[in-house]
Parts: sequence; C-alpha cells; structure tokens
Amino acid sequence: DAKTTQPNSMESNEEEPVHLPCNHSTISGTDYIHWYRQLPSQGPEYVIHGLTSNVNNRMASLAIAEDRKSSTLILHRATLRDAAVYYCILVEYGNKLVFGAGTILRVKS
Amino acid sequence: DARVTQTPRHKVTEMGQEVTMRCQPILGHNTVFWYRQTMMQGLELLAYFRNRAPLDDSGMPKDRFSAEMPDATLATLKIQPSEPRDSAVYFCASDTDRGVFLGSLNEQFFGPGTRLTVL
Repeated sequence: DAKTTQPNSMESNEEEPVHLPCNHSTISGTDYIHWYRQLPSQGPEYVIHGLTSNVNNRMASLAIAEDRKSSTLILHRATLRDAAVYYCILVEYGNKLVFGAGTILRVKS
Repeated sequence: DARVTQTPRHKVTEMGQEVTMRCQPILGHNTVFWYRQTMMQGLELLAYFRNRAPLDDSGMPKDRFSAEMPDATLATLKIQPSEPRDSAVYFCASDTDRGVFLGSLNEQFFGPGTRLTVL
C-alpha cells in the first residue's frame, strides 16, 4: 500500500482557515487521494477525495499538487466542531482504506 | 437520514465467551467493511464483503474471528473464544461500488462502533 506522511498535530484558531498537509511521494497513477476525519468517540467520516484536479465540497477543499506527490486539505473557517483526527489515505479503485496515524487538529476559541 | 447501525454499542464479557457484533449497512450499499480500533494499532481493516461475498479477510485472526453476511441488510462479526487482547472499538462501514467508469468510489459511511471489553 502506498504510504502517506502527515504531521502528528496542528492547531488552529476558530474562524480561521486551516491547511492540513499530506505527502505521498510514492503515489501511483491510479491512486485516489481520500480524506477522512474522526471526531472524538465517533466513527470516521468521509470528507473529500480527488484524483488530479482540485476539489471542493460543502465540508472542505482539496488542493492536489501538479505532480500529485502532495495534497492539502483546506477547511475554510475552522470551528470547534472541526477538532478531530484527519486521515489522508491513498486508495486504488475498489481497494481498501489503510489508515495511518493521521493529524490531530486542535481548534482554539 | 440513512445511517449504518451497529449493535450492541457496548459489550463487556469474560475471556472465553462468544461475542457477536451486528451491523446494518445503508440500504442499497453493496460493500461492507469491518474495522478494529485500538490505541496501540489505530484503525485496522479486518474484512470486507462485496455483494455479500467475502473479498478480503486477511486482517482477521482466522482461528477465533469470523465474519458473515447472512443477507444484504445484516453483517455479523463473531469472536469465539474472546480474549482480553480483543478489547477494542469495532466499526462497520458500507459503501456502493458504482464501477470504475463512474469515477466516484470508496466514500465509506461508518457506524458508531461497538466498544468491546473482554475481562
């Protein structure tokens, strides 16, 4: 399974944008980039995914580098409810999710 | 709104007892996953099914764990006999495999989990 590297933790102020980085230098051409998050005492929750182009949805934006070796999850205005562990995962079509340690995001009021 | 449901939410049992965890995937989803989460190992995939057929159970200890889908609305994970090291939160997730030509894939929906404690 292709590996991803994320910072262990990050901190943000409420109402400010948050950029969560992910390195995946060994990504293959068929790997999709997925982001999930896990709020305290809950199951993981899908956030966003992409292949080559930047993606936006109601929760976040995903910026993918031109060479696809890194990506950034962008939360446009962090709220206290965004405090969670964020997982960046490479997924081949039809294949399983392999979770790493993720990034613990702390949001300060 | 459609959700994955899991029962029981909490289970405390003694070593050696059989444990059965149940999952109801979202109606219409054809792929079901079982994960286990511990502080030491994080989230691990145990097994998954597509259209009720097991696709991969390599993450599961075969001697004591078994996973089945008796029908499209029920997935079960059994541990027999249970051991203290099985204490963890077990998550079920489901999604729809819409085929490679439709692009979108693997947007898994997770249930709330079953917290298992084996004494």
